[in-house]
Amino acid sequence: EAQVTQNPRYLITVTGKKLTVTCSQNMNHEYMSWYRQDPGLGLRQIYYSMNVEVTDKGDVPEGYKVSRKEKRNFPLILESPSPNQTSLYFCASSLSGAYGYTFGSGTRLTVV
Amino acid sequence: SQKIEQNSEALNIQEGKTATLTCNYTNYSPAYLQWYRQDPGRGPVFLLLIRENEKEKRKERLKVTFDTTLKQSLFHITASQPADSATYLCALDGSGYALNFGKGTSLLVTP
Repeated sequence: EAQVTQNPRYLITVTGKKLTVTCSQNMNHEYMSWYRQDPGLGLRQIYYSMNVEVTDKGDVPEGYKVSRKEKRNFPLILESPSPNQTSLYFCASSLSGAYGYTFGSGTRLTVV
Repeated sequence: SQKIEQNSEALNIQEGKTATLTCNYTNYSPAYLQWYRQDPGRGPVFLLLIRENEKEKRKERLKVTFDTTLKQSLFHITASQPADSATYLCALDGSGYALNFGKGTSLLVTP
């Protein structure tokens, strides 16, 4: 089944403890992207990648890192999480910019 | 600054009627516009993409129009059903390869 898989689905962590949210797609898509979704603010793009080793900042990149060493994987790294990073995170992938995105099921992160 | 505006008020309609949702944008020159459906707590699901040189696109009960002069897209669901109740998101290609979303409009279809 064609899908984007994120892990974990739920995560509660403490301020400052480094964490990684994994994202993997099995559709051989070139484009991958991370979003966060907050009430009243909608979906905001954190980082996106057009291909292996090619990434760029979205609207809200502060406090996040990404890497794209393989086409299928696009992990999101929070080096020192803070409570304002508590949010619902989505990974998405697309064949190219002119096609619709397939989204993962989301990761609900709480930083205390 | 770039803006994508969708009605923040929920749209309530009766089953069987046509639902029409609006997406307006400013300071974009999009090559294409996309519509997604999102259910609570779940990831958005891609519905339709329309390109700048297309006026209208259809898929089953869905129809999207794209007016680059008015900077507006309309999304129609004909013969609406309670199962169509969800939040509908409009998205545009931004600078670089970014894809930016509006905040969405909630649709409630009552029997």
